[in-house]
Amino acid sequence: AQTVTQSQPEMSVQEAETVTLSCTYDTSENNYYLFWYKQPPSRQMILVIRQEAYKQQNATENRFSVNFQKAAKSFSLKISDSQLGDTAMYFCAFMKHIGSARQLTFGSGTQLTVLP
Amino acid sequence: KAGVTQTPRYLIKTRGQQVTLSCSPISGHRSVSWYQQTPGQGLQFLFEYFSETQRNKGNFPGRFSGRQFSNSRSEMNVSTLELGDSALYLCASSLAGAPGGTEAFFGQGTRLTVV
Repeated sequence: AQTVTQSQPEMSVQEAETVTLSCTYDTSENNYYLFWYKQPPSRQMILVIRQEAYKQQNATENRFSVNFQKAAKSFSLKISDSQLGDTAMYFCAFMKHIGSARQLTFGSGTQLTVLP
Repeated sequence: KAGVTQTPRYLIKTRGQQVTLSCSPISGHRSVSWYQQTPGQGLQFLFEYFSETQRNKGNFPGRFSGRQFSNSRSEMNVSTLELGDSALYLCASSLAGAPGGTEAFFGQGTRLTVV
């Protein structure tokens, strides 16, 4: 079974600064996907960024980037130029590459607060 | 393109009752997954349906069931409700099987309160 660990329950960052959220996972799979989702107060889960395990290049999406260390089973999210709208709960998630089946295993989340 | 629609948004039920939640996926998406979110247990996978067949199930008791219709809409049912079933239930749809179809799009959830 896969496990995802987010060791930072809460973090805060000043507006325009950079913050890094940590995530580690445990799996015996070789092919898989990793995701970061954000959940603002509206409770809508929104995909922030996705990483395929077979790709060595770290994924980036505008102000969001990841540091994917496959051997260390680490998948951290860096948010640059933080904005007030980034305030949300952030979840790291794992998905096995098992054909077409879709099952996400989530971490416990990190509540990020961006301070004005 | 309409997103994932979950109805109702809020529900209050009494212990022992049963409840049915509905999820309409994004048009063209054939995979629908359900998750339970609670403060204590976090986000937990319930089950996944694809082409009207349940192909993946999480570790939940048999009181939790679901189904998917030919138009990909899905319902989940919880029978004999317990106080611990109070949670936000999230539905997600995806283009499972299609290239790049790994992304799960979530609905806004149904907040179930059992009293």
